[in-house]
Amino acid sequence: DGGITQSPKYLFRKEGQNVTLSCEQNLNHDAMYWYRQDPGQGLRLIYYSQIVNDFQKGDIAEGYSVSREKKESFPLTVTSAQKNPTAFYLCASSKQGASENTEAFFGQGTRLTVV
Amino acid sequence: QQQVKQSPQSLIVQKGGISIINCAYENTAFDYFPWYQQFPGKGPALLIAIRPDVSEKKEGRFTISFNKSAKQFSLHIMDSQPGDSATYFCAARRLIQGAQKLVFGQGTRLTINP
Repeated sequence: DGGITQSPKYLFRKEGQNVTLSCEQNLNHDAMYWYRQDPGQGLRLIYYSQIVNDFQKGDIAEGYSVSREKKESFPLTVTSAQKNPTAFYLCASSKQGASENTEAFFGQGTRLTVV
Repeated sequence: QQQVKQSPQSLIVQKGGISIINCAYENTAFDYFPWYQQFPGKGPALLIAIRPDVSEKKEGRFTISFNKSAKQFSLHIMDSQPGDSATYFCAARRLIQGAQKLVFGQGTRLTINP
């Protein structure tokens, strides 16, 4: 089945540690995205990538880093510089372009908790 | 700056009733307006979407109404069912060199009472 796989589903991090969230897609989409979801705030864009080896900051990139070494993979690292990392993280992918079939598909999310 | 405002924050509707969720946007560069449905612990899934040159789009029990001059759009769920209980997000899309930047509303938690 085609889709987006995020792992792990739940992640616990001690303060001061970096953690990496995995996102893999087999939809052959060029573009991939990371969003953060907090209660009552909707989804906010962290980083996005349109092509391998290229990525752009979104609206809340501070304290996060990404890489795009393969088309299928777009891991997100939450660094110790992120002051409030506890949240639900969502990865998405889409085709490029403006037509209506370029909708974004989301993974099932990773819930990160700082302990 | 919140570019898409969504209301209400929560909504309770009786089974069989009509659920209405409203959104307003500011940036006229947005070119596509999707609605997402999210169940607890899951990722959002596309429900229905509309372009700004269309005033209404209907898919089954779900209808989007779009008012371009007022920069407002709304989701109507007819004959609401308990299975429709979920959080709904409106969004507005802006293309940046082919990549989609989606700006989301704050979400509406919908509860359908049986």
